[in-house]
Amino acid sequence: GESVGLHLPTLSVQEGDNSIINCAYSNSASDYFIWYKQESGKGPQFIIDIRSNMDKRQGQRVTVLLNKTVKHLSLQIAATQPGDSAVYFCAEKSGTASKLTFGTGTRLQVTL
Amino acid sequence: NAGVTQTPKFRILKIGQSMTLQCTQDMNHNYMYWYRQDPGMGLKLIYYSVGAGITDKGEVPNGYNVSRSTTEDFPLRLELAAPSQTSVYFCASRGLAGALEQYFGPGTRLTVT
Repeated sequence: GESVGLHLPTLSVQEGDNSIINCAYSNSASDYFIWYKQESGKGPQFIIDIRSNMDKRQGQRVTVLLNKTVKHLSLQIAATQPGDSAVYFCAEKSGTASKLTFGTGTRLQVTL
Repeated sequence: NAGVTQTPKFRILKIGQSMTLQCTQDMNHNYMYWYRQDPGMGLKLIYYSVGAGITDKGEVPNGYNVSRSTTEDFPLRLELAAPSQTSVYFCASRGLAGALEQYFGPGTRLTVT
């Protein structure tokens, strides 16, 4: 079946550097994508989303890029801070408006 | 505005026991969801509801039941608990119109032994 996946299970970044977390999706009909951050022992927290009619969307210190040609999504975090250490999930929506399909997650470790 | 709340935070069940995981949201959201998250994995959808009185199966519904008698509450029932149901359970909700992001509760960690 269609699925969302991630290239790197763990990413280690030095404090102050930029982080790039990648996500590959396989359902070309997906029209909405979302990134969540999950800290240890907590529920996922919304970071940023993007619709398929856009290539790029920026938030505070975060940017999501969508490449529909190669079905690739990335989350860029500028000036990574220790508080950014968490697991990051991408998710996609296709078909009915109700359901999201989540990837397995990438752990971001920020070193001092 | 508490958002999405879940009780209990932790629970240990013996095989064959039953329990109900509670979920409440105070944002007047129509859509509500139950997910399970196994260690090192992403979230898998168990059941969802598009409004009071309406529920539907997700990806992994076997062994679970839900009800949605009010907009605010979406309890998840486990009958005859099995070790395979050891997981962290998250409830989420989202509004009817506009943004599609789901808001998650803090989770319930369930162990079945």
